Formats: sequence, C-alpha cells, structure tokens
Amino acid sequence: KAGVTQTPRYLIKTRGQQVTLSCSPISGHRSVSWYQQTPGQGLQFLFEYFSETQRNKGNFPGRFSGRQFSNSRSEMNVSTLELGDSALYLCASSSNTEAFFGQGTRLTVV
Amino acid sequence: AQKITQTQPGMFVQEKEAVTLDCTYDTSDPSYGLFWYKQPSSGEMIFLIYQGSYDQQNATEGRYSLNFQKARKSANLVISASQLGDSAMYFCAMREGRGGFKTIFGAGTRLFVKA
Repeated sequence: KAGVTQTPRYLIKTRGQQVTLSCSPISGHRSVSWYQQTPGQGLQFLFEYFSETQRNKGNFPGRFSGRQFSNSRSEMNVSTLELGDSALYLCASSSNTEAFFGQGTRLTVV
Repeated sequence: AQKITQTQPGMFVQEKEAVTLDCTYDTSDPSYGLFWYKQPSSGEMIFLIYQGSYDQQNATEGRYSLNFQKARKSANLVISASQLGDSAMYFCAMREGRGGFKTIFGAGTRLFVKA
C-alpha cells in the first residue's frame, strides 16, 4: 500500500514568514498526527486530527496550527516563524495498532 | 502523566549478534500501546513493532521482538542477528488508550553495529 507522503521535503524560510506543510496519510487511516523533532528537544507531539477534527494538542504556541480535509489529508501551518522553529516535522498516519510516518519536512528558518 | 524512558544513549553490537534496547514507561491508563521505531540518518521514522497492553504474547516481527514485562513497565526491543544496516537511532513510544492517538517518544538509543 502507498505510504505517507509529506511535502515539501525541504524548506528554507525567513524569520517572520509563514509556512504550510502537507501530509497525505495511508488510505483508510483517518488519524494524522504531527511531530516536531529537534536535536535538543527530541520528538514532540504537536497535534492530532481525526475525521477533520483536532482530537489532541501538544504544548506548542498558537502559531502552530493545522487542519484536516475530508480525504484525510492534513496541513500544518506555522506563522511568524522563529529561528527555533527550525526542525524536522514529521507526520504520522495511524490506525489502532500501527502508526506510519512520512519522510518528514526539514524546515530551516534563517 | 505518561512517560517513556530510554536509558541507553548509545549501544554497540557486533554484526550477527543479538542486542536488547531498553525502554521503560509510566502510565495510569490500563489500556495503552507501545511502539518501536528506527530512524536512520536519512531521518525517516520506520515503524518496527507494536505491543498492546492487553496482548498476552510478546510481539514479534521478523528479527525484531518486543520483550513486554507489564508488571515492570518495560518494553525492551530485541534485535536478533544484527546487520550493518541496523545502525540507526531507535525510539520507544507509547500511546494511551483514552482520547486518541497522541504518542509520546523516548529520547532514543543510537545503535552502532560493528563489522
């Protein structure tokens, strides 16, 4: 079966800009979760969407937001980018007993 | 609050030998799931194995097995017959049964396989 697709793979943005990342889950999975991975903080949970509704949220500021469409594809938006937002952003497509990740989007804020 | 602990920052293993990566967890939810992931230098997170808290038997997937000791709250990953391609970061993760699929991750263990 097709895997989880994240676009773009790499992104360079300037401080103050905003960015939108996309994630297409595995067919049949209704849950999409987003994670931020940095060398200092490790993997941190951002939020989870299930059937177009945000079901869980991590401890990130309101600059981080997301949404999910009726086809389960999800987008994550970060506004007013800061240098500290530079990270690998991973999305996971989940069912009850499995969770597959995309290849991630590596965001660099300069 | 849920918590995952991986106490081994780095591990070395000789090719073709078995290795155990430690993971302990803490949760008050009787229903939970435990995951192991492999992250090579490319950054992709590769799903290896899943164990549900009510599963009676330890999960196995090919060369990977999960040594689940519920009373000790441990979920160690055993990799048999290590291969050079197993060199990577390994993450233990937990998802509680209530309220969705929020998953928390341990700090990871970097495994080095020696030829």
